Amino acid sequence: GIQVEQSPPDLILQEGANSTLRCNFSDSVNNLQWFHQNPWGQLINLFYIPSGTKQNGRLSATTVATERYSLLYISSSQTTDSGVYFCAVAISGTYKYIFGTGTRLKVLA
Amino acid sequence: SQTIHQWPATLVQPVGSPLSLECTVEGTSNPNLYWYRQAAGRGLQLLFYSVGIGQISSEVPQNLSASRPQDRQFILSSKKLLLSDSGFYLCAWSSPGPRQYFGPGTRLTVT
Repeated sequence: GIQVEQSPPDLILQEGANSTLRCNFSDSVNNLQWFHQNPWGQLINLFYIPSGTKQNGRLSATTVATERYSLLYISSSQTTDSGVYFCAVAISGTYKYIFGTGTRLKVLA
Repeated sequence: SQTIHQWPATLVQPVGSPLSLECTVEGTSNPNLYWYRQAAGRGLQLLFYSVGIGQISSEVPQNLSASRPQDRQFILSSKKLLLSDSGFYLCAWSSPGPRQYFGPGTRLTVT
């Protein structure tokens, strides 16, 4: 099956810093999502981005499907950005998502 | 707007007892519905998904089952819980496309 690897596994930032999170996947996909899980466990859908680039406020994401990776950029980080970031991919023609192991981000005030 | 509910929020059950977790979605019709489990400190594992009433696909052989008695209701069950069933159970929906939205989850501890 598809393997999904995220890096780095852990990241500590000072408030205001920028960061890049990476998601590598082992097979062709046409569905990719990024999620943020807050410290209370709630998962928030950040982006649906099977290819190309999207931006939403301080967050942006880029997926290069032909090279099997996606990047999530966080600019001017805030303490509320803390939590775990997951990417999830699904094989073409299905909505069965495989989640990566996540990047745990802590933003310090 | 669409809303997804899960209950209970937390549950402590003894080994061998039955389980029933409920998930309901409001504000949409004929959603795809999903059950995931998250072990402590790990990613999410897809357990079941459903594209319609009575249509359930199981992704991982295990001690659990799922049912969809109504269009916007998804139930996760077990006849006899095991210690390994402990975890954080999340329900999600998508409709009409592939973008998924998650409920608040149920933390299950089997003792």
